[in-house]
Amino acid sequence: GQSLEQPSEVTAVEGAIVQINCTYQTSGFYGLSWYQQHDGGAPTFLSYNALDGLEETGRFSSFLSRSDSYGYLLLQELQMKDSASYFCAALSLSGNTPLVFGKGTRLSVIA
Amino acid sequence: NAGVTQTPKFRVLKTGQSMTLLCAQDMNHEYMYWYRQDPGMGLRLIHYSVGEGTTAKGEVPDGYNVSRLKKQNFLLGLESAAPSQTSVYFCASSYSGDEQFFGPGTRLTVL
Repeated sequence: GQSLEQPSEVTAVEGAIVQINCTYQTSGFYGLSWYQQHDGGAPTFLSYNALDGLEETGRFSSFLSRSDSYGYLLLQELQMKDSASYFCAALSLSGNTPLVFGKGTRLSVIA
Repeated sequence: NAGVTQTPKFRVLKTGQSMTLLCAQDMNHEYMYWYRQDPGMGLRLIHYSVGEGTTAKGEVPDGYNVSRLKKQNFLLGLESAAPSQTSVYFCASSYSGDEQFFGPGTRLTVL
């Protein structure tokens, strides 16, 4: 089967840095995406890694290691508005599910 | 550009009733998807389409049907609603699969 594991909850202080890890077991793995979802809202795309290494987009960075089947999302200079759920999602070229989502990590940013 | 729109936003059904959810996108994307999201869960793919006139089953297709008669529209039908189909339904579209754009969601309750 295909599965992704990520922590269910993370709490961090405003202004700090937080890392959300994701390990995956996916046949036909092609790349790893990250999405943010605020309560009551729709998921929004944050980043995508097809190759090993770090991708940086402003305060957010995402990392992928194919050999370790592992990735992470790094959020810097945390703001209260970053409190949300974050989902990793594996893009697959095989099977009947082209994009498999993890169950999400709920990030709470505290003052 | 409106992006991805979904109608209706809310709906309450009785067990056994049928309904159709409409998704429309104005980004000329080939790929379109229907997901459901339940509390504490990630998004699970119901059906998807890789182009006009094509559909494919996702992870949880039972009890749902879809049609993609026009490139910009993707319809999700519930033939005979069951309480287990109470969920939030998200439609998404994508140019290549890695970055998906989500609609605002439809909150469906089946009594």
